[in-house]
Amino acid sequence: KNEVEQSPQNLTAQEGEFITINCSYSVGISALHWLQQHPGGGIVSLFMLSSGKKKHGRLIATINIQEKHSSLHITASHPRDSAVYICAVTTWGWAGGTSYGKLTFGQGTILTVHP
Amino acid sequence: GAGVSQSPSNKVTEKGKDVELRCDPISGHTALYWYRQSLGQGLEFLIYFQGNSAPDKSGLPSDRFSAERTGGSVSTLTIQRTQQEDSAVYLCASSLSGTSGSLRVDIQYFGAGTRLSVL
Repeated sequence: KNEVEQSPQNLTAQEGEFITINCSYSVGISALHWLQQHPGGGIVSLFMLSSGKKKHGRLIATINIQEKHSSLHITASHPRDSAVYICAVTTWGWAGGTSYGKLTFGQGTILTVHP
Repeated sequence: GAGVSQSPSNKVTEKGKDVELRCDPISGHTALYWYRQSLGQGLEFLIYFQGNSAPDKSGLPSDRFSAERTGGSVSTLTIQRTQQEDSAVYLCASSLSGTSGSLRVDIQYFGAGTRLSVL
């Protein structure tokens, strides 16, 4: 079982719909990240959160530490939101005698929004 | 530079050849990470550098893979005797710091990646 599980793997929506992508993790973390990857490979960090809720424009990310679960919501979806959304968690690795933040990734959710 | 720069953007090579992939992190970022994204797979950690300290190489899949970071800045990922299963997008990321000393987790900034195709 992967340490970070996302659902759904694929999501198709009509423009204007409310979208939710879920992420569950099984390890202790110091932070959770939502990343966006457009065709062509570029990855952009959308959110980094360790508790509660964050909002940026039409995007909302929530995290429940006790349940080890996070959700990414997109309100009023638009075709330009079509991308792969990746959940990642920061755990602590070890290098050079000190610990460091190490990302473990979910498999990603492919979102397609049709006009 | 303004962002993380990777070169080449695409590399096609023949099985058995060696390849070098380059990453130029954001100026001032001491932490540098290499990841691999195979077709249909999630991102996989390869190696982490923090300044001039010994790296975490625990994610390198075989001894054909190696990486170095010169002067705490530019990094090169080398794959020797490439195999078809090495075909993937290789992504580099950098952050201000990776360490836990300040109990701070920094956002990682990703390059556009190098798409490696081994024929």
